[in-house]
Amino acid sequence: SQQGEEDPQALSIQEGENATMNCSYKTSINNLQWYRQNSGRGLVHLILIRSNEREKHSGRLRVTLDTSKKSSSLLITASRAADTASYFCATGLLTGGGNKLTFGTGTQLKVEL
Amino acid sequence: DSGVTQTPKHLITATGQRVTLRCSPRSGDLSVYWYQQSLDQGLQFLIQYYNGEERAKGNILERFSAQQFPDLHSELNLSSLELGDSALYFCASSPPSRETQYFGPGTRLLVL
Repeated sequence: SQQGEEDPQALSIQEGENATMNCSYKTSINNLQWYRQNSGRGLVHLILIRSNEREKHSGRLRVTLDTSKKSSSLLITASRAADTASYFCATGLLTGGGNKLTFGTGTQLKVEL
Repeated sequence: DSGVTQTPKHLITATGQRVTLRCSPRSGDLSVYWYQQSLDQGLQFLIQYYNGEERAKGNILERFSAQQFPDLHSELNLSSLELGDSALYFCASSPPSRETQYFGPGTRLLVL
């Protein structure tokens, strides 16, 4: 079952603009991660934020987490055509020796030249 | 390249058959996870192994089973295949006590 619902389902922007994707979830989490997937290929880890953190940055990426609202957002600044992909949030629950991820429904981002 | 390898890349088989998907984790990673990605169900967690032991289970059907071997590679066995089992199957691995998972390129299964 899906834990996260992402909004919007699809987003089309011009190169150079910022892209914001939102993720809402239902249950308690230990961490939340964002992954990117290019057309039917493997998932690439982008950024992780733990439940006691509110904001993290990595290059052109900014992630926020609001545990009281059970929501997160991913901001990609100065987007490029190469950012075109599907983006998934995944909530994490720590398990024995690992981290069980539950993925959202994904946002399809298209960056046009 | 994440360092996680999966074989085969593509698999076409018939209903009722059995297949085995193989995953080699990154060097040093003890945890292996299996996921199924389909159009109607999205990305679903199936099962996790840590150093040879099953540690967490998700929406894995009884027809599916997995194991992790002493060399840490893992296999996912799918039996009595149905049309609805057609999907991308991903394996991921993570280092001990780390939350980030590194995904393999996936195996695309088509059941005809």
